[in-house]
Amino acid sequence: AQTVTQSQPEMSVQEAETVTLSCTYDTSESDYYLFWYKQPPSRQMILVIRQEAYKQQNATENRFSVNFQKAAKSFSLKISDSQLGDAAMYFCAYGRRNAGNMLTFGGGTRLMVKP
Amino acid sequence: GAVVSQHPSWVICKSGTSVKIECRSLDFQATTMFWYRQFPKQSLMLMATSNEGSKATYEQGVEKDKFLINHASLTLSTLTVTSAHPEDSSFYICSALLGGPETQYFGPGTRLLVL
Repeated sequence: AQTVTQSQPEMSVQEAETVTLSCTYDTSESDYYLFWYKQPPSRQMILVIRQEAYKQQNATENRFSVNFQKAAKSFSLKISDSQLGDAAMYFCAYGRRNAGNMLTFGGGTRLMVKP
Repeated sequence: GAVVSQHPSWVICKSGTSVKIECRSLDFQATTMFWYRQFPKQSLMLMATSNEGSKATYEQGVEKDKFLINHASLTLSTLTVTSAHPEDSSFYICSALLGGPETQYFGPGTRLLVL
């Protein structure tokens, strides 16, 4: 079974600075995709970024980028120029098209942004 | 794009009654939707996969007779908590799968309190 591990229960960053959230996963599959979702206090899950395993290029969405290391099964999220609105729980998730597109979530990292 | 609504956002009911939660994909069709449960300060736990026109697939440990799922159209899935008890109090979240690329988009969640 696939597992997703987020080793940092909490992280803190100063406003305008950069922070990296870690995620590792365990799989024997080669075709899969990875996600980062954000859950602010409203509890609405918001897609932050998506990465296909077959793509070597790291995904980027504005201030959010990933460092995808397939061999190491690592998928970290970098947030640049952190803003107060970035404060939230961040969940890393693994999914496979051939497994019904179900997602396996990590335990989450709570990000605090200091003004 | 890719907006998912959920109704109601809050529900309080008496023990023994049934509660229906609706999940709608507003701007896309979704043959597959998912239902999750989230306890405070924890990650999302998949309850079941809902497929349009067929029976839902339940995760191990989830009582199918207690959590009835109906996916009657390409934009609507419903979760009915039958004979609710206080231990069913939780935050329920649905998601809808948008194909090409396969990505789950989440509803805002429903807080259920059973008295």
